Amino acid sequence: SAVISQKPSRDICQRGTSLTIQCQVDSQVTMMFWYRQQPGQSLTLIATANQGSEATYESGFVIDKFPISRPNLTFSTLTVSNMSPEDSSIYLCSAGAQYFGPGTRLLVL
Amino acid sequence: AQTVTQSQPEMSVQEAETVTLSCTYDTSESDYYLFWYKQPPSRQMILVIRQEAYKQQNATENRFSVNFQKAAKSFSLKISDSQLGDAAMYFCAFNTGTASKLTFGTGTRLQVTL
Repeated sequence: SAVISQKPSRDICQRGTSLTIQCQVDSQVTMMFWYRQQPGQSLTLIATANQGSEATYESGFVIDKFPISRPNLTFSTLTVSNMSPEDSSIYLCSAGAQYFGPGTRLLVL
Repeated sequence: AQTVTQSQPEMSVQEAETVTLSCTYDTSESDYYLFWYKQPPSRQMILVIRQEAYKQQNATENRFSVNFQKAAKSFSLKISDSQLGDAAMYFCAFNTGTASKLTFGTGTRLQVTL
């Protein structure tokens, strides 16, 4: 089994700023996934992060807005850039179907 | 493209009773996996139960069981002996491999009443 932690757990940010969310897994995993859950909505995949290669983004998400790093097999970051109120969401990382982080609740003012 | 549909935005069940949450999906894949997740207000996604498409036997985990109808592309969740702690959002999800990305339904909010 794997345990996933995320930092920060929540944040309030100003429009136009950027926030980097960290995701740490307690074991090595090949693929990590970043999801967005807008208020009252379901989860939507932002991108898949593989170690040693560029992240693969889903339709509607671009690297300039959501740059991702995957420096090793236990860690990944997602940056939400040039934020607007529409970016207010919960951001979750995952290491497969069984393992989700606790989420980062982001509010953009 | 794969899609997952949950047609019940909200459901309510009395404590100790049984409730069934519906899910349908669409895919052209022959090998895939189906999941039910629980998301309480704490927002932690908890895997409730999973079903491999190649298995005919319906999965069961304690009070949770599924009715998997492959031909109908239906995957419902039955919760028996409902408890107050079962109150949460429930999401149906699909993927084509245990390490691959998930496609989620829109969720069903389950209320449990006394």
